[in-house]
Order: sequence, then structure tokens, then C-alpha cells
Amino acid sequence: AQTVTQSQPEMSVQEAETVTLSCTYDTSESDYYLFWYKQPPSRQMILVIRQEAYKQQNATENRFSVNFQKAAKSFSLKISDSQLGDAAMYFCVTQGGSEKLVFGKGTKLTVNP
Amino acid sequence: DTGVSQDPRHKITKRGQNVTFRCDPISEHNRLYWYRQTLGQGPEFLTYFQNEAQLEKSRLLSDRFSAERPKGSFSTLEIQRTEQGDSAMYLCASSLEGGQPQHFGDGTRLSIL
Repeated sequence: AQTVTQSQPEMSVQEAETVTLSCTYDTSESDYYLFWYKQPPSRQMILVIRQEAYKQQNATENRFSVNFQKAAKSFSLKISDSQLGDAAMYFCVTQGGSEKLVFGKGTKLTVNP
Repeated sequence: DTGVSQDPRHKITKRGQNVTFRCDPISEHNRLYWYRQTLGQGPEFLTYFQNEAQLEKSRLLSDRFSAERPKGSFSTLEIQRTEQGDSAMYLCASSLEGGQPQHFGDGTRLSIL
């Protein structure tokens, strides 16, 4: 079974600052994917970034980057130059051995102007 | 790319009634997934289809739940004899193939009176 733990129920950041959201996971699969999805209030779930576990290089997408530590089973998300539109619930997600996604409980990010 | 479409957006019904939700995936996607999200939690996997074949079902999908994808295009999720605990957001997602990112719809919010 796969599990995902997000230990920060809520985080806040000042506009233009940098914030890091933490995630640890557990899986017995040797081949798996990791994702961060965001869910703005009353809006649809959107993919932020994707990491293939066999790739050592950390994924980046514009202002979003991850720190993937495979041995530690850690997958944190860094948001640089935070914008008001980044305010959302962020979910750390794993997929492996099956096509189902396994979600953490989420971290609510508030961006202060 | 018109995105994943779900109908209705909201459904209010009395306990014991049957409800049916519809999901139209992105047109070229052959994978279709259903998830359930309760308040303050991450989505939980219910079931998925590859074309018209239902390949995996969660134990969360009790006998009262049934999902179909008759022609490998749209899908329906039916809940019979609804209970209070069925109140949740039901999310549909689709992907081009296994291992590719899943794209989510806006969800159907079910409220049981």
C-alpha cells in the first residue's frame, strides 16, 4: 500500500517570497511517479509538477520546483516569487503499481499581499 | 481540448434516493477515473476504466455504487439508496494512457438531506 503524509495543514507566505511545502511518502514499488496538484477554492484540481522516480534530476516548472530525496522518501515543493494566484490547497500525490493516484491530506497555502 | 466535463455540478437529494453523475473525458483520453473527496481530505480513488473495461475498483465502492463507460467515451457513476455518508465531491479525471498525468473535472458535489 502507498501512503502520503503532508505534515503542514496550513502555510502562509508573503507575496514575492519563497515557500516550501513538505511531503513524505511510502511505497513498496520500485517504479512510481510523484506529483503536486493544486486545488484553488471551488475550482478544479490542476497538475503543478510531475517527477518520475527513476530520474535523479529534480523537476522544475517555471516558479515551481521539487526537492526529491528518494532514499528518504521525501518530495517537497518550492514555490518562488509567490503570487496571489498561488493560494490554494496543495496535494502531494503518488502513483505506482496501479493507475490510481494516492493523495495526501493537503496543505492550505495562503498568500498575503 | 475542452477539458473534463462533469454534470451536474451540484446535486441535493434525500436519503434513500438514487443519483447518477456523468463524466465526459478529454476526447482522445482512453483512461477515465473516479475519485471521492470529503471535506478537508484529499481525493480517494474509487474506480477506473481503460476504454470500456473497468479495470480496478476500490473497496470504497460498495454494492450501492456502480460505474459504467459503455462505449469507451463518457462514464456514469450511480449511487443507489443514498446515505448521509455519501455526501462528498465526486471527481472525474482522464488521461491519455497509464503513467500520464490525470486531468480533473470540476466535480459533482453531492449533498444528502
